[in-house]
Amino acid sequence: GQQLNQSPQSMFIQEGEDVSMNCTSSSIFNTWLWYKQDPGEGPVLLIALYKAGELTSNGRLTAQFGITRKDSFLNISASIPSDVGIYFCAGDSSYSNDYKLSFGAGTTVTVRA
Amino acid sequence: EAQVTQNPRYLITVTGKKLTVTCSQNMNHEYMSWYRQDPGLGLRQIYYSMNVEVTDKGDVPEGYKVSRKEKRNFPLILESPSPNQTSLYFCASSLSGVNSYNEQFFGPGTRLTVL
Repeated sequence: GQQLNQSPQSMFIQEGEDVSMNCTSSSIFNTWLWYKQDPGEGPVLLIALYKAGELTSNGRLTAQFGITRKDSFLNISASIPSDVGIYFCAGDSSYSNDYKLSFGAGTTVTVRA
Repeated sequence: EAQVTQNPRYLITVTGKKLTVTCSQNMNHEYMSWYRQDPGLGLRQIYYSMNVEVTDKGDVPEGYKVSRKEKRNFPLILESPSPNQTSLYFCASSLSGVNSYNEQFFGPGTRLTVL
């Protein structure tokens, strides 16, 4: 699978803050997705992006498919405590004939005390 | 309720003792996949299946086997587990149309420890 670099590795949020994270790839992707994993559970799809430049929202979440097709961003506005968890970016390369999905290492979001 | 189920949820075993982790989905999905999750490495794909009797290697297939005899089931088999296979395992499923296979539904996970 393709190597995805996700940053930051971890972050602390305070309720009400806007936060953002991003994901980059060395190769072009034709699909970018963002998943969230709550503690003790499997990942759940948040947003799927299929077109370069696409900006898509899901409630307080907004994600963008970078114009270069090598990056994607996820923004969370007005954080609430239930936003804690691990956020994974995932992507599908344009030029592979397989049906494999590559995942980033994840961004762990924790509430700042 | 639409879901992916995995069994067992927790398993502690010893090196070399064959084991099977079952996965079942009730959404009539064609595509199914197994991942392992390790700290700092995210999710890495082990095997996937586009449909019954069709399986392909993911990025880390060594030491694992799968089968897809029925559409709803996709068991993961470790013939001779080793300590480096200690991990959190997830099964996922989705439709298999263009782009659809990316929108995967994940099971709750199986935490495996190999001593």
